[in-house]
Amino acid sequence: EDQVTQSPEALRLQEGESSSLNCSYTVSGLRGLFWYRQDPGKGPEFLFTLYSAGEEKEKERLKATLTKKESFLHITAPKPEDSATYLCAVQGWGKLQFGAGTQVVVTP
Amino acid sequence: ETGVTQTPRHLVMGMTNKKSLKCEQHLGHNAMYWYKQSAKKPLELMFVYNFKEQTENNSVPSRFSPECPNSSHLFLHLHTLQPEDSALYLCASSPATSVSYNEQFFGPGTRLTVL
Repeated sequence: EDQVTQSPEALRLQEGESSSLNCSYTVSGLRGLFWYRQDPGKGPEFLFTLYSAGEEKEKERLKATLTKKESFLHITAPKPEDSATYLCAVQGWGKLQFGAGTQVVVTP
Repeated sequence: ETGVTQTPRHLVMGMTNKKSLKCEQHLGHNAMYWYKQSAKKPLELMFVYNFKEQTENNSVPSRFSPECPNSSHLFLHLHTLQPEDSALYLCASSPATSVSYNEQFFGPGTRLTVL
């Protein structure tokens, strides 16, 4: 059965303190791995799609990478506005599966 | 209106009530989705519609009944719900699904409480 595990569950960072979030997955035939950001009281907001191992994508302070077993979301020199829950989702040949998310808090 | 809108934003209902959630997208997309988001649990994909046709029903109880009259509107009809159905219900849309899902745009959700 397809599985998605995100770690850590929560992450507290000082402004400017870079870190990485992990999304480990087990899937039969990866068709896409997605990163979303969700602010309290709002729906998720799309960030990236990755399709194959070795692929990387960047957007402002965020960079997503993909291997055959996991994806990382690197946050470089975060700012308080980067505080949110980051969700990873994986699609194999079964249904789309989301991880439980990593809640990131960036303090000034 | 822009993006994906959902109404109502909050709903409280008894177990014997019948209510409906509405979703509308203004993005010209052809795929629409219903998700359930419960506290401390991963987002669960419930239903997928592609060009008004239901293409996925992920073992959702029959007390949830979706309806997609056109590519811009999606409804979730609720009846005889249980307290454990209390959650945030999210609607999303995307360009038509093909080999893989693509970028989805989410609405703000309806916070449902079942008493």
